[in-house]
Amino acid sequence: ILNVEQSPQSLHVQEGDSTNFTCSFPSSNFYALHWYRWETAKSPEALFVMTLNGDEKKKGRISATLNTKEGYSYLYIKGSQPEDSATYLCAFVYGGATNKLIFGTGTLLAVQP
Amino acid sequence: DAGITQSPRHKVTETGTPVTLRCHQTENHRYMYWYRQDPGHGLRLIHYSYGVKDTDKGEVSDGYSVSRSKTEDFLLTLESATSSQTSVYFCAISESGRDRLGYTFGSGTRLTVV
Repeated sequence: ILNVEQSPQSLHVQEGDSTNFTCSFPSSNFYALHWYRWETAKSPEALFVMTLNGDEKKKGRISATLNTKEGYSYLYIKGSQPEDSATYLCAFVYGGATNKLIFGTGTLLAVQP
Repeated sequence: DAGITQSPRHKVTETGTPVTLRCHQTENHRYMYWYRQDPGHGLRLIHYSYGVKDTDKGEVSDGYSVSRSKTEDFLLTLESATSSQTSVYFCAISESGRDRLGYTFGSGTRLTVV
């Protein structure tokens, strides 16, 4: 059974704080790791797709790193803003000809002004 | 959401009735997926398609069937709806197995089975 775990489940921070979340996934048969941002009452939006061990991606104040050998990825948000409040999902893609995402249950971030 | 629409957005149905949800895309993407979202479970894959008439099961496929007769449409059918199928259903599309842009999700269909 392929399991993707995210921690923490939820996080409450003050505006301006920097924060990070963890995504753990199987280290064998790795294909890709996705990060999505999911605001309430909207649909998930892709942040990053990472495929290589050691990958680092950045989009504004948000960045992510990938370690495929040990099976984890970190998402960092620098200087959190209230508009960063959302659920952050990671999803693992395992090797094979077809493309199937296995999602974690997400980290819910609430940023207090 | 650009390029992908789900219908209906909301539906209430009775136990035992068949229900079909539709996902329509205008991106000409090869892959299409149906997920359900439930508290504590995140998004779980029901079925997916990797081409016209090419479909396969996901992790929670029991009680569901799918069809893809043309590139742009992917239909999810609950053959005989049960209360455990009350959920929010999301369709997603992707261009290829190495899609650097990730999946694009529809706005979701909230289904209530009474």
